[in-house]
Amino acid sequence: GQNIDQPTEMTATEGAIVQINCTYQTSGFNGLFWYQQHAGEAPTFLSYNVLDGLEEKGRFSSFLSRSKGYSYLLLKELQMKDSASYLCAVITGGGNKLTFGTGTQLKVEL
Amino acid sequence: KAGVTQTPRYLIKTRGQQVTLSCSPISGHRSVSWYQQTPGQGLQFLFEYFSETQRNKGNFPGRFSGRQFSNSRSEMNVSTLELGDSALYLCASSLIHAEQFFGPGTRLTVL
Repeated sequence: GQNIDQPTEMTATEGAIVQINCTYQTSGFNGLFWYQQHAGEAPTFLSYNVLDGLEEKGRFSSFLSRSKGYSYLLLKELQMKDSASYLCAVITGGGNKLTFGTGTQLKVEL
Repeated sequence: KAGVTQTPRYLIKTRGQQVTLSCSPISGHRSVSWYQQTPGQGLQFLFEYFSETQRNKGNFPGRFSGRQFSNSRSEMNVSTLELGDSALYLCASSLIHAEQFFGPGTRLTVL
């Protein structure tokens, strides 16, 4: 089966850096996604990693180690609007089936 | 480009009834996936359609079904509704192994 773990909650200070970890055990791995979801809204795409290494996009970076089944999302220069749920998801098989973790609720405080 | 649209946005039904939800993908996207989101279980994959064929299926009972039309629009149906079917149903469209774009969802409440 598929198993994806990420912390349930995290709290950080505005302007700081936060790292959200995700570990996974899946078969047929075809890539890992990070999504952001604000309360009452649909998930929005942040990043996609299929090869090992770091992908940087503005204030957000995502890292993948396939051999360790591990990824993290790094958020820099935190802003209040970054308070949201961050979802790690793995794509497996021959199509577009995403298996999601339960999400990490990030709270950014002053 | 217009985003993914879902109708209706909100729905209230009673146990035993059936419901049909609709999803229009982004133009050019042939893959449409459906997900159920609940506070307890998070986001769970229901099924994926590609070129009118079901390509992947999650672990949901047969009461949950779907289809896709030649214009890539998709519908999902839930028959004999149960209280536990109350959830946010999200549709996502994409190209293959690429970013999935989510619609705003349909909030289903079963009384």
